[in-house]
Amino acid sequence: ETGVTQSPTHLIKTRGQQVTLRCSSQSGHNTVSWYQQALGQGPQFIFQYYREEENGRGNFPPRFSGLQFPNYSSELNVNALELDDSALYLCASSLDRVRMNTEAFFGQGTRLTVV
Amino acid sequence: DAKTTQPNSMESNEEEPVHLPCNHSTISGTDYIHWYRQLPSQGPEYVIHGLTSNVNNRMASLAIAEDRKSSTLILHRATLRDAAVYYCILSRGSQGNLIFGKGTKLSVKP
Repeated sequence: ETGVTQSPTHLIKTRGQQVTLRCSSQSGHNTVSWYQQALGQGPQFIFQYYREEENGRGNFPPRFSGLQFPNYSSELNVNALELDDSALYLCASSLDRVRMNTEAFFGQGTRLTVV
Repeated sequence: DAKTTQPNSMESNEEEPVHLPCNHSTISGTDYIHWYRQLPSQGPEYVIHGLTSNVNNRMASLAIAEDRKSSTLILHRATLRDAAVYYCILSRGSQGNLIFGKGTKLSVKP
């Protein structure tokens, strides 16, 4: 059983550019959530995908968008990057979105730096 | 979203038990209590979760107050590897996301 993998591990982008981050969920998991973690803060929920449909969104602007593919892997896209988007982006997969008595498995994250 | 309150930091000695408290006075009947921890330079890692009854697993124990307004994560023998930020989180059955606070930074002294 493979864990959650994210790519790339580190990324540097210029303000105004666009970025795509990728996540491969754990085998058998149909739900993927994305989180943004600023330095010294806890992770903040961006959105969740369940069976290729968005299933809940946090307080993030529309320039944060995502996709989930039939194999349940996922992408996070951020347009018009701002300096404040610099953070660790975490992907988490879980077996089911509804049964919150299950655990989420997190990847190691992608460290995005916007200059 | 239901909120949790945790101390910013705690210290422990190696091989001694650690009790990490969490207050969640606005918890609703369907909220599960989850604990995750985040080691330096890693993603969060599941520790334990529960609804009403106390729970034990190989990593820790979770003690839930009878009124469910507070809970305590118990590490029975702290090791240096347990130094991490510990997050107490409430989740709702109808929603799929975890709402993290700032957590408790646990330091373990040899």
